Amino acid sequence: KQEVTQIPAALSVPEGENLVLNCSFTDSAIYNLQWFRQDPGKGLTSLLLIQSSQREQTSGRLNASLDKSSGRSTLYIAASQPGDSATYLCAVRRTGNQFYFGTGTSLTVIP
Amino acid sequence: NAGVTQTPKFQVLKTGQSMTLQCAQDMNHEYMSWYRQDPGMGLRLIHYSVGAGITDQGEVPNGYNVSRSTTEDFPLRLLSAAPSQTSVYFCASSYSNVRNQPQHFGDGTRLSIL
Repeated sequence: KQEVTQIPAALSVPEGENLVLNCSFTDSAIYNLQWFRQDPGKGLTSLLLIQSSQREQTSGRLNASLDKSSGRSTLYIAASQPGDSATYLCAVRRTGNQFYFGTGTSLTVIP
Repeated sequence: NAGVTQTPKFQVLKTGQSMTLQCAQDMNHEYMSWYRQDPGMGLRLIHYSVGAGITDQGEVPNGYNVSRSTTEDFPLRLLSAAPSQTSVYFCASSYSNVRNQPQHFGDGTRLSIL
């Protein structure tokens, strides 16, 4: 069974700081890895999807990397803003149609 | 552009009652799924479907039933509600045969079982 772990569980940083969120998974047989943002009381919003053959994806101030062989992905957020405060989740898609989620990192950006 | 729509947003049930959580998508996605989200446990897959008439179990299927009669709709049925089913339920959809497409989520149904 695929295990997905996100460390740290919570992170608090001052506005403007660059930060890295971590995601690790136990089984490297994945199709892709997806990063989501979840605001309190809301659903999940897709941020970035990295295919298993890719090393990284970028969208604006966000950059996600994938090292499939070591079972790791990072989400880099540049110049953090208070509006970035949310819970960030990673999910891996295995062969077939099974998705496995981490428990998330709760980010607070202090003005 | 409605995306994935879940109803109701909130529900309180008594133990033993049954109910159906509704999920509809307008993106012509073949793949639809139901998750539950509990504190400290992340999202766990309950059931999923790769097309009309096809469903399969996920990680935590016990106590839940699904059916997929149309591409658009994927209802989740609680047969006899138990306090352990108190959770936030999310429906998601994506393309099935194009695997590197993102999942789209609804806003969730917050369910309390007394």
